Amino acid sequence: AAGVIQSPRHLIKEKRETATLKCYPIPRHDTVYWYQQGPGQDPQFLISFYEKMQSDKGSIPDRFSAQQFSDYHSELNMSSLELGDSALYFCASSLGALYNEQFFGPGTRLTVL
Amino acid sequence: DAKTTQPPSMDCAEGRAANLPCNHSTISGNEYVYWYRQIHSQGPQYIIHGLKNNETNEMASLIITEDRKSSTLILPHATLRDTAVYYCIGTGGSTLGRLYFGRGTQLTVWP
Repeated sequence: AAGVIQSPRHLIKEKRETATLKCYPIPRHDTVYWYQQGPGQDPQFLISFYEKMQSDKGSIPDRFSAQQFSDYHSELNMSSLELGDSALYFCASSLGALYNEQFFGPGTRLTVL
Repeated sequence: DAKTTQPPSMDCAEGRAANLPCNHSTISGNEYVYWYRQIHSQGPQYIIHGLKNNETNEMASLIITEDRKSSTLILPHATLRDTAVYYCIGTGGSTLGRLYFGRGTQLTVWP
């Protein structure tokens, strides 16, 4: 069965650079979620999209932005990267925004030097 | 989201049942109880969810108390591959589906 695809799997950037993470949801899934997991921490919700519109927003820094495109894939754009942005970034997708299981991708490991 | 409380760690012998408790005394009437697990650095994996009734699927069983203040996830025959952090999450209602991963339970299955 098709799963959530994230690219790249690993990314190394310098401070103050920008990064773009991509997420391709399971076919027919209309909702995408982004989570950030710092070293030794639990995943934290960043933002979600339902039918290409932002549906919820968590503790996402203003330096980050995201969108969901017409083909339902999503991109997380991160600017002015800081050392503290080093983390695993997970994307999840679901069919509908409520009461449905979320399927997580393998994550993108971002390292900021 | 309902605040949930889980023991930080548990262990279980391979082949035995693993019973993971969760307290969610502040859960509201329209919030579901979800269980996810995360095997080291992999994406979290959905296990099961329920509202009021007990639920069972191919992975686990979920027992929810009648007052809905606590629940237990049961892995009937734990294997080494079940070693993971297990998260109990109350969500739904106004939270628009976001998952709040609090401090879960590190389950270690030993041979």
